[in-house]
Amino acid sequence: ETGVTQSPTHLIKTRGQQVTLRCSSQSGHNTVSWYQQALGQGPQFIFQYYREEENGRGNFPPRFSGLQFPNYSSELNVNALELDDSALYLCASSLSPPWRDNEQFFGPGTRLTVL
Amino acid sequence: KQEVTQIPAALSVPEGENLVLNCSFTDSAIYNLQWFRQDPGKGLTSLLLIQSSQREQTSGRLNASLDKSSGRSTLYIAASQPGDSATYLCAASGAGSYQLTFGKGTKLSVIP
Repeated sequence: ETGVTQSPTHLIKTRGQQVTLRCSSQSGHNTVSWYQQALGQGPQFIFQYYREEENGRGNFPPRFSGLQFPNYSSELNVNALELDDSALYLCASSLSPPWRDNEQFFGPGTRLTVL
Repeated sequence: KQEVTQIPAALSVPEGENLVLNCSFTDSAIYNLQWFRQDPGKGLTSLLLIQSSQREQTSGRLNASLDKSSGRSTLYIAASQPGDSATYLCAASGAGSYQLTFGKGTKLSVIP
């Protein structure tokens, strides 16, 4: 069974640019969530997708957007990058529908540096 | 709004010692509580998941407890090893909100 994978591993961008991060869910998982983890902090919830629909959103501006595809893989897009967007971006997938107790499994993350 | 706090922020213990990591949360209406391990610059590894109806879960040398009424969870690590050195994060999944709310973590160092 393949776990959650993310690409790329590292990324360097400049302010104002746009970035797309990718995530492949664990096999059979239909719910994916994205988190941002700044250095020394706990992860912060960005949004969640269930069956290709956004199912919940944290306190992030609209320049953070996402997609989930029919195969349950997902993308996180960030427009107009700011220095504070520098962080580890984590993707998590879970087996059950979002309204049930479910364990979330995390990928290795993408380290984004904005210069 | 759920808030999760972890104390202490850092802990250093000699190898072989038993230890307890603490996690507190403000909203007792949770679905579950999950403990994770994070190695430097890496993703999160799920250690234990405690459902809201459960009091504790065990996996090997790890035991996690949950007391919803007091808003607390503890992670007990028995016979610590240098390989246990990492940051340990707890996260609460709130009723009516499917996101995980994380604490800032406890950085554990086990000295050989």
